Amino acid sequence: EDKVVQSPLSLVVHEGDTVTLNCSYEVTNFRSLLWYKQEKKAPTFLFMLTSSGIEKKSGRLSSILDKKELFSILNITATQTGDSAVYLCAVLHSGGGADGLTFGKGTHLIIQP
Amino acid sequence: GAGVSQSPSNKVTEKGKDVELRCDPISGHTALYWYRQSLGQGLEFLIYFQGNSAPDKSGLPSDRFSAERTGGSVSTLTIQRTQQEDSAVYLCASRTGIANNYGYTFGSGTRLTVV
Repeated sequence: EDKVVQSPLSLVVHEGDTVTLNCSYEVTNFRSLLWYKQEKKAPTFLFMLTSSGIEKKSGRLSSILDKKELFSILNITATQTGDSAVYLCAVLHSGGGADGLTFGKGTHLIIQP
Repeated sequence: GAGVSQSPSNKVTEKGKDVELRCDPISGHTALYWYRQSLGQGLEFLIYFQGNSAPDKSGLPSDRFSAERTGGSVSTLTIQRTQQEDSAVYLCASRTGIANNYGYTFGSGTRLTVV
């Protein structure tokens, strides 16, 4: 059974802290891993990772994939209250489901001022 | 059930026909969302149900789209007079609806192809 596990499920930190969100997966025929940020309705796309060891960066956010150990991390440095959201990890894989897209349950991140 | 169940997993339909997509959320989950994922794009919000409240339909792209949720459980998304641009994967997600509990569970989706 394909599965994506995110940890922690929730996290409360103070503004300015650095956080690391984790995503591990077990899927058949992995293609890529995606990170989303969900604040209100639709998750907004952050990163797509296909190759191991290549860090993707966007401002204070960065992410990296380890295809040997089957996990990815999402780092947020110098956190701000606007970073408060649910961060979703999804894995795109061949076979299984309509599009082989399996989501984790998300990490609920709360940044306190 | 143990997870969010969607059916059918794949649907091919002719342009102009109506389709119904079904979502069976996790028992006890009061919040239910429908999303659409088109090729190469992110998730697009369609509609949100929370308990007995009026649904948030603000994401429905046209009046050909409608959804209902019977008895606070199973939801059906209906697309009338399908168009080719409706081709996408339609995802359903549910969560408990309890404040500060944001554990979403997604179904495996329905791939709709309009030919």
